Amino acid sequence: AQSVTQPDIHITVSEGASLELRCNYSYGATPYLFWYVQSPGQGLQLLLKYFSGDTLVQGIKGFEAEFKRSQSSFNLRKPSVHWSDAAEYFCAVGAPGGSYIPTFGRGTSLIVHP
Amino acid sequence: DTEVTQTPKHLVMGMTNKKSLKCEQHMGHRAMYWYKQKAKKPPELMFVYSYEKLSINESVPSRFSPECPNSSLLNLHLHALQPEDSALYLCASSQRGANEQFFGPGTRLTVL
Repeated sequence: AQSVTQPDIHITVSEGASLELRCNYSYGATPYLFWYVQSPGQGLQLLLKYFSGDTLVQGIKGFEAEFKRSQSSFNLRKPSVHWSDAAEYFCAVGAPGGSYIPTFGRGTSLIVHP
Repeated sequence: DTEVTQTPKHLVMGMTNKKSLKCEQHMGHRAMYWYKQKAKKPPELMFVYSYEKLSINESVPSRFSPECPNSSLLNLHLHALQPEDSALYLCASSQRGANEQFFGPGTRLTVL
């Protein structure tokens, strides 16, 4: 079974600063990997996904993530954070093939200071 | 249309009431999901429907009753809920197999 760890419960950054949110997974092969964002009281929106191929993945809203097999990581990055990026971020891992039931990390809350 | 819609947006109910949550998608997805989410927590899977058949029930109490009338609709019938059932209820859909899920905006449920 797959599992995912988001080690940071909260991250605080200043507007305009760079951002990196950490995600580590456990799975026997190359998993499917996802980052979702959730604004307060809203549903989850997919930022980006990795299935195979290029390990640097570009997403929406200026986000990117890099799959590193050797570190079992899929960290999310953004070069310059905007106040509107304040939200909850969830990393998820899925097992290729068969029915798709992703496993979500506990989430990282991003706080942006002006 | 790449949207999952959910109604109502907010719902307040007493412990003796019967209500239903509705979810709709027109993306041709054949897998649909109900999740429960408490504040500052990840979504918890409740039910999965695949080709309109219930394929997973994560040991959810019988006061929650899912229904999939057709490939585009998913309902969650609620009866005799408890205050601890207050949460955000999210619906999602996906292509059959390992693809990303598309989430609706959720229904904020409060049980008094």
